[in-house]
Order: sequence, then C-alpha cells, then structure tokens
Amino acid sequence: DAKTTQPNSMESNEEEPVHLPCNHSTISGTDYIHWYRQLPSQGPEYVIHGLTSNVNNRMASLAIAEDRKSSTLILHRATLRDAAVYYCILRTASGNTPLVFGKGTRLSVIA
Amino acid sequence: NAGVTQTPKFQVLKTGQSMTLQCAQDMNHEYMSWYRQDPGMGLRLIHYSVGAGITDQGEVPNGYNVSRSTTEDFPLRLLSAAPSQTSVYFCASSYLGVSPGNTIYFGEGSWLTVV
Repeated sequence: DAKTTQPNSMESNEEEPVHLPCNHSTISGTDYIHWYRQLPSQGPEYVIHGLTSNVNNRMASLAIAEDRKSSTLILHRATLRDAAVYYCILRTASGNTPLVFGKGTRLSVIA
Repeated sequence: NAGVTQTPKFQVLKTGQSMTLQCAQDMNHEYMSWYRQDPGMGLRLIHYSVGAGITDQGEVPNGYNVSRSTTEDFPLRLLSAAPSQTSVYFCASSYLGVSPGNTIYFGEGSWLTVV
C-alpha cells in the first residue's frame, strides 16, 4: 500500500489559516488523496479529496503538488472546533484495496 | 438514511468471553471495514470486505473474525476476549470506484473494555 507521512502535531492561532502537509512519494497514477479528521470521542469524518487539481469545498481546500508526491490541506480560518486529528490517506480509483490510516496530525487551535 | 450504525456503544467483557460487535449500513456500500483505536493512537485496520461473501485481513486480524453474508451487515466477532483488545472499534463503509467518489463513512464507535 502507498503510504503517507504527516507531522505528529501542529498548532495554530484561532482565525489564522492552517496548512497541514502530507507526503506521499510512492503515490501511483490512479490514487486519490483523501483527508479525514477525527474530533475527540468521535469517528473520523470526510474533509476533502482530489486526484490532480486543487479542490475546494465548504470545509477546506486541498492543494496537490504538480508531481503529486505531496499535498496540503488548507483550513482558511481555524476555529476551536477545528481542533482534531487530521488523516491523509491514499485510495485507489477502484476502491477495493485496504485503507490504512497513519497516526495523522493532531491540530491544536489556540484562542 | 441512518448511515453506519454500530452496536453496542459500550460493552464490558470478562477475559475469555466472546461477543459480536454489529455494524450495519443502509447506503448499499460494497466496501466495509473494521478498525480499532487504542488511546492516543491512530486507526488500525482489523478486517475489510469488498462485497458480500468476500472478506480479507487487515493489519491486526488476530483474535477477530468477520463475515459478510449481506451487503448491509459486517459483524466483528471477538472469539476469546483479552485485556489487549480493550479499545474503541470503528466500522466504516464506502462505495467502490470513483463515482460517487468513494468517500468513507464511519460509525460512532464501540467502546470495549475487557477485564
């Protein structure tokens, strides 16, 4: 399985933008980049995903490097409710391979 | 549309007892999986399935059995509970393929304590 590497933890001030990096140097051409986040005592929830082009939705933006070996999840204005563990994973287009999560990045937001 | 439903939410077992964690989804998802999450740790894949009648092992399958007799249900069986299986268990499901995006939906978790 293609693996991802993320920093263990990051800190941000409230209402500041946050850039969460993810390295996936062994990504294959058909792998989608997915981001999920896990709030305390909850199951993970979907944030955003993309293949090659940058993506935006109401929660965040996803910036994908041109060589696709890295990506960055962007929270435009961090709030206290964004404090969570953020996971970057790769998923094949077929979706029929096991999904392995790493340890993710624990984001702390300071008021 | 209830999404992914896990039962029970909390359970205390004695060492050596067996039990089944239930997982059901009403979205007609082909892919279903079970994860465990120990305190302060990430998610570790136990077993997964890409359709009815098809199951496969994940990273930490020992001590657990699964079956997939229907598309909707994916129960996880603990054969002989051990204290090392004290954890939070999450069930997840998704479509296969690119459309509609195969995003993963998680249940709310089952907190299991083995004493």
